[in-house]
Parts: sequence; C-alpha cells; structure tokens
Amino acid sequence: TQLLEQSPQFLSIQEGENLTVYCNSSSVFSSLQWYRQEPGEGPVLLVTVVTGGEVKKLKRLTFQFGDARKDSSLHITAAQPGDTGLYLCAGLNNNAGNMLTFGGGTRLMVKP
Amino acid sequence: EPEVTQTPSHQVTQMGQEVILRCVPISNHLYFYWYRQILGQKVEFLVSFYNNEISEKSEIFDDQFSVERPDGSNFTLKIRSTKLEDSAMYFCASRYDRAAGELFFGEGSRLTVL
Repeated sequence: TQLLEQSPQFLSIQEGENLTVYCNSSSVFSSLQWYRQEPGEGPVLLVTVVTGGEVKKLKRLTFQFGDARKDSSLHITAAQPGDTGLYLCAGLNNNAGNMLTFGGGTRLMVKP
Repeated sequence: EPEVTQTPSHQVTQMGQEVILRCVPISNHLYFYWYRQILGQKVEFLVSFYNNEISEKSEIFDDQFSVERPDGSNFTLKIRSTKLEDSAMYFCASRYDRAAGELFFGEGSRLTVL
C-alpha cells in the first residue's frame, strides 16, 4: 500500500503571508497531483507534476515534485482569503495499479 | 466544459436498505472510479473500472458493493445492505486514458445511513 503523508494537517494564517504544504511518501510515483476541495464538493484538480524536480506555477501557487518523485510541495505566496480550502495531494503509480492514492489533506484558513 | 455528474446529491436511507448511486462520466473517458470520503477523513479509493470490468478494488469494496455500467453512459455504485459506517460522500471520477493522470471528479453523493 502506498501512503502519502501531508503536513501540516491544519494551517491558519493571515492574509498576505506565505505558506508551504508538504506531501511525502516512501514510494515512488509516476505522477503526483494536487487538488483543492471545497466543503460539500468534489476535489478539483490544480496541477499534475510528472518529472522529478519539476516546478509548476499557477499564479501565486508553486508546485514542486521531488527529484526522486517521492514527495511534493505546494507553496502559496501572499495568501488570500479565497485560498481557504482543503488541499489534497494524490499520487499515481502506473506500475502498481490504476488508482490515485490521496494524502490526508491540509486544511488552510486564510484570515483577512 | 465537460463534467462528471452524480445523482442523487444526497440520499438518506435506513440501515439494511439497498442504495444505488449514479454517475455520468465524461463522454470520451475510458477509466471510471468510485471514491468515498467519510466526514473529516481522507478520500479513499473504492474501485476502478475499465473495459466493462473491475480493474482494481480496495479492501473497503467488499461483497456488499458492486459497480455496473449498464448502458454505456451511466456508471453506478450499488450498496446491497447499507450499514451505519457506509455514511460518507461518494465521489465518482473518470479519466481519459492510463497515461493521462488527471482524474475528473463529480460533486459527490452524500449518503446518510440511519
């Protein structure tokens, strides 16, 4: 069983602050995805990272895939209240089945 | 924009009753999934479906669960005899092919078992 550990589980910050969320595993993944989930809704894909060391930017969000493809991070610059939500990382291993394994999530609250 | 749709959005049922949750995946997608999320917990894989058969299933997906794609567009999850612990949000997802990792999720069906 491949496990993904996310940290921190909860994060409460002020508007304008920076933050980093981590997603770690002892397993290698073919790709890793970051989703955002609002209460009562399904996860919505933010980004997919595939290559070890890859960095992708989505406005104020920067996603990085570790060189060994076992870990990833999400950095948010100058957080805004609209960034509030549950951030989920999920790993896919094409050599070990067809399903996406989710981390436990990081619940972010950005206070104005 | 194409999307995965799920019905019902919320179902309340008595313990022991059968429940069918319905999903319409994105039309040209080939892989279909059911996940569940118990309130406050992580999103858990239940089952994946490809080429009209189950390709993987988790230990959660026991004999009480079944999936079907009866008409080429709907993808259903049936729980034969619901238990209290089946109360959760159930998410359907689909993706185009094995190489494309992105899963597209529906809005979920909330199941409450009393």
